[in-house]
Amino acid sequence: QKEVEQDPGPLSVPEGAIVSLNCTYSNSAFQYFMWYRQYSRKGPELLMYTYSSGNKEDGRFTAQVDKSSKYISLFIRDSQPSDSATYLCAMSRPQGSTLTFGKGTMLLVSP
Amino acid sequence: DTEVTQTPKHLVMGMTNKKSLKCEQHMGHRAMYWYKQKAKKPPELMFVYSYEKLSINESVPSRFSPECPNSSLLNLHLHALQPEDSALYLCASSQSGRNTGELFFGEGSRLTVL
Repeated sequence: QKEVEQDPGPLSVPEGAIVSLNCTYSNSAFQYFMWYRQYSRKGPELLMYTYSSGNKEDGRFTAQVDKSSKYISLFIRDSQPSDSATYLCAMSRPQGSTLTFGKGTMLLVSP
Repeated sequence: DTEVTQTPKHLVMGMTNKKSLKCEQHMGHRAMYWYKQKAKKPPELMFVYSYEKLSINESVPSRFSPECPNSSLLNLHLHALQPEDSALYLCASSQSGRNTGELFFGEGSRLTVL
């Protein structure tokens, strides 16, 4: 079993839809959870950062962490064509550990 | 605009060439990273520098040689590469070497080895 599982997609939705992106993980030591957005041929951009369990909202984006289920989610409301990108979940343990990425989910939002 | 600047954006080199990738950040971050990313794959960690000292080398072949001249600069020296080393090379930085995951990436240097 991989440490982090993420469906590679692609996930195709119409403009204005609510998008749900998810990752599951197996290592209960993970404490920091991130979502990165990567446009084609560009570097990843940190979108959301959460420590431990709970929700975090930033504009149209909401990140959720459920440590009891080892499950994290990213919700995008009122999706736009400019949201079309690959979304990578990532997580790390405390104190200087390296980052573990999911495979990334490609999202396509059509006008 | 990213605050981590990488040059060159594109590089084509032969297997006998020597070249370097450069990375610069002016955010006062004390940890810098090199990642390699192949198409449709997540980034793979290569090296971590923390406070200008190499702290992690993920068993990278010696044909890749990192250098951190100061806290703002990171280089990756390339020599005798193989075609399978063609990839997007990403530089990243974070505030400290504790690596809580808040990495800021550059746009990458796309390397093609002929």
